[in-house]
Amino acid sequence: AQTVTQSQPEMSVQEAETVTLSCTYDTSESDYYLFWYKQPPSRQMILVIRQEAYKQQNATENRFSVNFQKAAKSFSLKISDSQLGDAAMYFCAYPRIIHSQGGSEKLVFGKGTKLTVNP
Amino acid sequence: DTEVTQTPKHLVMGMTNKKSLKCEQHMGHRAMYWYKQKAKKPPELMFVYSYEKLSINESVPSRFSPECPNSSLLNLHLHALQPEDSALYLCASSQAVVGDEQFFGPGTRLTVL
Repeated sequence: AQTVTQSQPEMSVQEAETVTLSCTYDTSESDYYLFWYKQPPSRQMILVIRQEAYKQQNATENRFSVNFQKAAKSFSLKISDSQLGDAAMYFCAYPRIIHSQGGSEKLVFGKGTKLTVNP
Repeated sequence: DTEVTQTPKHLVMGMTNKKSLKCEQHMGHRAMYWYKQKAKKPPELMFVYSYEKLSINESVPSRFSPECPNSSLLNLHLHALQPEDSALYLCASSQAVVGDEQFFGPGTRLTVL
């Protein structure tokens, strides 16, 4: 069964510092996608970054980057130069395909990591 | 327009009431989703519509009834709910393409008395 594990329920970081959130997953697929979603206290979930498993290069979006280790099934998120607005719940997610047609996916979420940014 | 809107923002209902949650997107997405989220937990998938057809039903009790009147609208009809159904209900949409990003709405905070 595909599972996603986030082993850090809570993390804190000082403003302007760097923090890494961990995620491991389990899948038997060889080609897949992985996501990090952010849910701030206002509750609207937004995509932070997406990684395609067949791409060896780690995805980067401005201050956010991932360390994708396919063999180890590890997908950690690094936030550089942390800002107060980065405070949120961060969910690692894996889209499990239920049917072969598009739009038939189930996002399997980890339990989340609550990130606090200290001024 | 990259927004998913949900109404109402908050809803309080009794166990005998019938109410509906509404979700709308104008991004041309052909897949729409309902999730239930309890406090401090990840969202749990309830239903997926793909090209206006119900594609996934995660064994949700029949007191929750989804409807997709057209490609931009998604409703969730509620009837005879239980207090344990109190939660944040999130709607999302995406291109019906494997691995595409899901865009989430702000949610409806539901309280069942």
